[in-house]
Amino acid sequence: KAGVTQTPRYLIKTRGQQVTLSCSPISGHRSVSWYQQTPGQGLQFLFEYFSETQRNKGNFPGRFSGRQFSNSRSEMNVSTLELGDSALYLCASSLSTGNTEAFFGQGTRLTVV
Amino acid sequence: GQQLNQSPQSMFIQEGEDVSMNCTSSSIFNTWLWYKQEPGEGPVLLIALYKAGELTSNGRLTAQFGITRKDSFLNISASIPSDVGIYFCAGQTIIYGNNRLAFGKGNQVVVIP
Repeated sequence: KAGVTQTPRYLIKTRGQQVTLSCSPISGHRSVSWYQQTPGQGLQFLFEYFSETQRNKGNFPGRFSGRQFSNSRSEMNVSTLELGDSALYLCASSLSTGNTEAFFGQGTRLTVV
Repeated sequence: GQQLNQSPQSMFIQEGEDVSMNCTSSSIFNTWLWYKQEPGEGPVLLIALYKAGELTSNGRLTAQFGITRKDSFLNISASIPSDVGIYFCAGQTIIYGNNRLAFGKGNQVVVIP
């Protein structure tokens, strides 16, 4: 059974641009969560989607948004990129929003220059 | 937000030694999870704990869910070079039916052959 797939693996953008990252969860999993990982802050929760609805949101500015499609695939978008947005963005899937075990993808390494 | 404290930030151990790490919080969690992350990869779930006092093993790994529900520990016995990585604890609560994972900042484990 395929794991969580994130694309692209690496991305370089300039300040002010926007970026869209994609996550395909494990087949049958309907909940997708997004995290930002930086050396100083560790893993910070961005948001969670379940059944195409945002169920939970972390403390990030409105420049960070996401959506989920009917096949459970999810995208996150960051607009007006800042240097501080450089990070590893991780997506995790689980069976449902109440399910405890989250499985992570390899992440997308975003560098903003 | 919920804070999980992991210390020390890094540990250097001799191959064959046991290593223990713990995770504490001021909040109560329903579930404790331990993940391992290797360079360039997403975190991989090692052990999940669901009940206060529960002790669970996975090969050379043993983890316990603290009685107070505010802490957990992970032990690695007879360490080997491939144990190198960052070990994260995560605590989960379900608030108003929504799943929420909080992560510690991780313990970097280095195994010296």
